Amino acid sequence: EIVMTQSPATLSVSPGERATLSCRASQSVSSNLAWYQQKPGQAPRLLIYGASTRATGIPARFSGSGSGTEFTLTISSLQSEDFAVYYCQQYNNWPTFTFGPGTKVDIK
Amino acid sequence: QVQLQESGPGLVKPSQTLSLTCTVSGGSISSGGYYWSWIRQHPGKGLEWIGYIYYSGSTYYNPSLKSRVTISVDTSKNQFSLKLSSVTAADTAVYYCARDLGIGELLYGYWGQGTLVTVSS
Repeated sequence: EIVMTQSPATLSVSPGERATLSCRASQSVSSNLAWYQQKPGQAPRLLIYGASTRATGIPARFSGSGSGTEFTLTISSLQSEDFAVYYCQQYNNWPTFTFGPGTKVDIK
Repeated sequence: QVQLQESGPGLVKPSQTLSLTCTVSGGSISSGGYYWSWIRQHPGKGLEWIGYIYYSGSTYYNPSLKSRVTISVDTSKNQFSLKLSSVTAADTAVYYCARDLGIGELLYGYWGQGTLVTVSS
């Protein structure tokens, strides 16, 4: 099983600042890496797939990068609605997939 | 726009079988190319894939749960279902049904709102 880790567990950021979240895979997942956002009481929302492709309707302030085992999600200028938990997901290991433990972005 | 809605008991006794249904609207579950999935989230924790059924009827289950999981489809009702047997308190979680984007990858762009299932006597 491919194990995903995320850092930091919690990131405290002021509105308008840049947030950088990291995700690491225990083995290469090529570019088969997605990011989801989850707000309290809501289902996850797909933000990024293919490591860097924004899903439909996702604002340009969200960007993804990386390949292999190291990935980054960057939120260029945090808006109030961006404070949430972010999960990475690998989908390289067909037919299974795994999520990371999440990074909580909260208000500094 | 496809929409999914979970339904089922919110309380299940230990050793019994958890049964949930996902009703799909805005699209036919028998139309090709989609993976219909169940994903759960333990309270305050991350996401865990349970399994999925392809429109053709093929199923794939998380190896850690495989011995206890059955996912099936009822195309006449446009629903798919989850059965998880021999539950324990460790199965207490919010259960989501979800559908992939339809691009041949296990990427979930459509989710139900989730339903909390508590395992307790």
